Amino acid sequence: GDSVTQMEGPVTLSEEAFLTINCTYTATGYPSLFWYVQYPGEGLQLLLKATKADDKGSNKGFEATYRKETTSFHLEKGSVQVSDSAVYFCALSGVQAGTALIFGKGTTLSVSS
Amino acid sequence: DSGVTQTPKHLITATGQRVTLRCSPRSGDLSVYWYQQSLDQGLQFLIQYYNGEERAKGNILERFSAQQFPDLHSELNLSSLELGDSALYFCASSPQTGLANEKLFFGSGTQLSVL
Repeated sequence: GDSVTQMEGPVTLSEEAFLTINCTYTATGYPSLFWYVQYPGEGLQLLLKATKADDKGSNKGFEATYRKETTSFHLEKGSVQVSDSAVYFCALSGVQAGTALIFGKGTTLSVSS
Repeated sequence: DSGVTQTPKHLITATGQRVTLRCSPRSGDLSVYWYQQSLDQGLQFLIQYYNGEERAKGNILERFSAQQFPDLHSELNLSSLELGDSALYFCASSPQTGLANEKLFFGSGTQLSVL
């Protein structure tokens, strides 16, 4: 079945460092891809998404490009801040209406000043 | 604030008991989803309702059931609880049926502890 694999954390960075969180997927057809973020004590929030191959999603300085050839959707940010400390989830949604989001296990990011 | 309300925030109970988790979706959202988050399994999809009807089913145990009421709020019922059911249960909502690029709005979750 469809699945998402994320790099294991935690990822610990200093402020202004470059961030990459790897995400690969297995799916039938051409799913939509998402990154959600979970701040401490809160529910998940959509960070960015891409709905077709070569699309780039971006938000708040974060970017991810839908790569069909490598079945990947890696999350990047050029300069992280302490406020980016959170858990990041990669997810995919099937092409049919009513298909639920399938999430990776999440990657914890900790940024220190 | 996502607009999705979950109650209670915390629930402590004993093995063998039954509990009910409640979710009020964002105003106007027709779809409600339930997810279970645990350290070992990550975020697992349980079930989705759309406008009162079951729409999709994931890894939901037979001891668990859910429903969506005419006012669109949803309840997740967990019975014959086991230690392994301890987890954070999230509700999410979306405007329509969860189309491929539709955004989900998550509540803050209910932390269930089974002792």
